[in-house]
Amino acid sequence: DVVMTQSPLSLPVTLGQPASISCGSSQSLVYSDGNTYLTWFQQRPGQSPRRLIYKVSNRDSGVPDRFSGSGSGTDFTLKISRVEAEDVGVYYCMQGTLWPYTFGQGTKLEIK
Amino acid sequence: EVQLVESGGGLVQPGGSLRLSCAASGFTFSNYWMNWVRQAPGKGLESVAIINQDGSVKYYVDSVKGRFTISRDNAKNSLDLQMNSLRAEDTAIYYCARNPEWGAFDIWGQGAMVTVSS
Repeated sequence: DVVMTQSPLSLPVTLGQPASISCGSSQSLVYSDGNTYLTWFQQRPGQSPRRLIYKVSNRDSGVPDRFSGSGSGTDFTLKISRVEAEDVGVYYCMQGTLWPYTFGQGTKLEIK
Repeated sequence: EVQLVESGGGLVQPGGSLRLSCAASGFTFSNYWMNWVRQAPGKGLESVAIINQDGSVKYYVDSVKGRFTISRDNAKNSLDLQMNSLRAEDTAIYYCARNPEWGAFDIWGQGAMVTVSS
């Protein structure tokens, strides 16, 4: 199985400051069609996960533009340009290139 | 409104069975792959099973192979997960999720809690 490794696992951030989460995969996530199926999810406390970013850098409608995704091959990053209180929760990366789809361990973002 | 609603969770003894259902609404259910994803208490996410649009292709994570069966009824806009020979480690919230392409789960249900305990 593809192993997804996130860092850091805990991320205390001051309101208004930037935040960055890294996600690495044990093998390339480039699929035979040329796409890279790396997705970022946010899970707020007590809620179901919510998709933020798909195919590395495509932001979902309704997701604030302070969220951005980047990367290629085996290394990916989720960035929040200015953290707001509503961003508290756990962030997961997930690869959909190979079955079984696998998630990172999750990064818990909290306000410092 | 696009929506997924799970049902059927509960408490079951080790070795027992349970069937989860997911009712879809607000979109053309038969156009999408569908997934079951679970989350053990206080833990991360695990994709458990996947099914294609007409039910002819199904994949499972190794830990549930031979015990869980995913199925769908496109006429009823319904996705099911039959869980047999349940173990304590199957205790989790089970989410159904719409899969527009290769794991980019864009719609999630609210989850159904399954507790396996004597």
